[in-house]
Amino acid sequence: RKEVEQDPGPFNVPEGATVAFNCTYSNSASQSFFWYRQDCRKEPKLLMSVYSSGNEDGRFTAQLNRASQYISLLIRDSKLSDSATYLCVVSRSNQFYFGTGTSLTVIP
Amino acid sequence: NAGVTQTPKFRVLKTGQSMTLLCAQDMNHEYMYWYRQDPGMGLRLIHYSVGEGTTAKGEVPDGYNVSRLKKQNFLLGLESAAPSQTSVYFCASSRNYGYTFGSGTRLTVV
Repeated sequence: RKEVEQDPGPFNVPEGATVAFNCTYSNSASQSFFWYRQDCRKEPKLLMSVYSSGNEDGRFTAQLNRASQYISLLIRDSKLSDSATYLCVVSRSNQFYFGTGTSLTVIP
Repeated sequence: NAGVTQTPKFRVLKTGQSMTLLCAQDMNHEYMYWYRQDPGMGLRLIHYSVGEGTTAKGEVPDGYNVSRLKKQNFLLGLESAAPSQTSVYFCASSRNYGYTFGSGTRLTVV
């Protein structure tokens, strides 16, 4: 079983829409959780960390459910510039495990 | 502040040739990593290092060797390149929290 599983999409949404991405992880000993964003032909960049209490950064909200081993990312009021691939990442013992990514295209 | 720098950015190799990819970081990070990224496969860990002079195998180490002679540098070597090693290679470093990635090396083996 893969460490991290994501729906690959693609998600095609109109500007202004709300879109949610989900991710599950297999190892209950995972310690830290992140969402990374990767633009086409670029390196992944940290979007936000994910905490059990949930956390928000502007239009982005991330949540973690340790009991279900489930991570989510909600993007509100989508912008054209949000088009990218979103990678779910879990870490333990200083090793990071990446999902294959979910592709988002925001359409004018 | 350069962060993580990878060289070269692009390379085409013939089957059987060797090459070394260089990763340099100026953030005094202990941990460094080499990943490859292929369509539909996501990022897969090749080798990693938890400090100067140490290296360890990741998920897909075969066909690659690494060295970490200086804390700021992590080298990835291909001794005899194969077409299956055509990929985008990313180096990353971390200290306690989160990764910083280099901009990648696009390698094609023909």
